[in-house]
Amino acid sequence: GESVGLHLPTLSVQEGDNSIINCAYSNSASDYFIWYKQESGKGPQFIIDIRSNMDKRQGQRVTVLLNKTVKHLSLQIAATQPGDSAVYFCAEEPQTGANNLFFGTGTRLTVIP
Amino acid sequence: DSGVTQTPKHLITATGQRVTLRCSPRSGDLSVYWYQQSLDQGLQFLIQYYNGEERAKGNILERFSAQQFPDLHSELNLSSLELGDSALYFCASSFRGGPDEKLFFGSGTQLSVL
Repeated sequence: GESVGLHLPTLSVQEGDNSIINCAYSNSASDYFIWYKQESGKGPQFIIDIRSNMDKRQGQRVTVLLNKTVKHLSLQIAATQPGDSAVYFCAEEPQTGANNLFFGTGTRLTVIP
Repeated sequence: DSGVTQTPKHLITATGQRVTLRCSPRSGDLSVYWYQQSLDQGLQFLIQYYNGEERAKGNILERFSAQQFPDLHSELNLSSLELGDSALYFCASSFRGGPDEKLFFGSGTQLSVL
């Protein structure tokens, strides 16, 4: 089955620094990838997505990079703020025609003031 | 606030019992998804419905069942509960349930089986 994993379970950064969260996926046929943020006591919240025909997409303070050659996904957060502290999940959508996402185990980002 | 409503927020029950989790999707969304989040398994896709019909099935146990009603709300029924069923259960919704659609998640139901 599909396998989406993360290189680091925890990440601590100083406020104002940039954060990079990495994710490896195993299904080369997946064509849609999403990053979600989950704060304590809440459900996952959509951050940014990218389709397999792109290698980079930018949002507000966030950038997602996709390297299909090595099946790697990363989320970059610029000028990290205390409100960015959360667990971040990458998810992939296999080419099944349905929208059933497979999530990685998550990385806990802690921003140090 | 995602617009997806889940009730109850917390549920404590005993092994062997049956519970029902309820979800109301965002206004206008036709598709509902159920996910289970446990410490050792992460977020696992259980099942998806679109406009009352089952669309996709994931790692859902036979002891679990779900349905989506004409008013588009959904219920997840968990029976013969075991200790290992303790987890956070999330509902999500999207407009048509097709590929490349963003999922909006509710705040979840924390199930504790004692």
